[in-house]
Amino acid sequence: EIVLTQSPTTTAASPGEKVTITCLASSSVSNMYWYQQKSGASPKLLIYSTSSLASGVPDRFSGSGSGTSYSLTINTMEAEDAATYYCQQWSSNPLTFGSGTKLEIK
Amino acid sequence: QVTLKESGPGMLQPSKTLSLTCSFSGFSLSTSGMVVSWIRQPSGKSLEWLAAIDWDGDKYYNPSLKSRLTVSKDTSNTQVFLKITSVDIADTATYYCARRLRGADGFAYWGQGTLVTVSS
Repeated sequence: EIVLTQSPTTTAASPGEKVTITCLASSSVSNMYWYQQKSGASPKLLIYSTSSLASGVPDRFSGSGSGTSYSLTINTMEAEDAATYYCQQWSSNPLTFGSGTKLEIK
Repeated sequence: QVTLKESGPGMLQPSKTLSLTCSFSGFSLSTSGMVVSWIRQPSGKSLEWLAAIDWDGDKYYNPSLKSRLTVSKDTSNTQVFLKITSVDIADTATYYCARRLRGADGFAYWGQGTLVTVSS
């Protein structure tokens, strides 16, 4: 099983600040997916196939990476971006998710 | 418009079998490339993928739970089911069904989730 380790576990950012969340895979994966989950809601797909923006997602979100290291970047933090973020892979079975990064607004 | 909705018993006792239904609209599971998965999330914890079924009827399971899981779909291709046998308190979670993005492995569409509590 491929383990996805996210860092940081928790972070806070001021409005306008740049935020980067990292996801390290225990083995190489071909693509990474990123989700945003707000309290009491279902996860929402932000980034697919490592760097493609899902429909309706603001372009302040971006994804990058390859091999075992991937990242999600929020270019300019907004209050509505406060949420928990998860990475996900399905390069090998089973599909796995990261442990999550909680992002708070300062 | 793609929508998915999970339904389940709410609460059940340890050792029983959990039966979940995912009812969806806006697509047919018989369409090439369609995949519906079951994912669960204990309160305050991360997401755990359980199983998936695709347009061709192929089934995929998380090896850690495979012996307890059965995923299936109805003949009209508008519902997907999941059975989990011998439930334990550790199976208490919100259970989601989600549809894969066409052409990529991300889950673009999610149900609202159904909370299942295992308790005696």
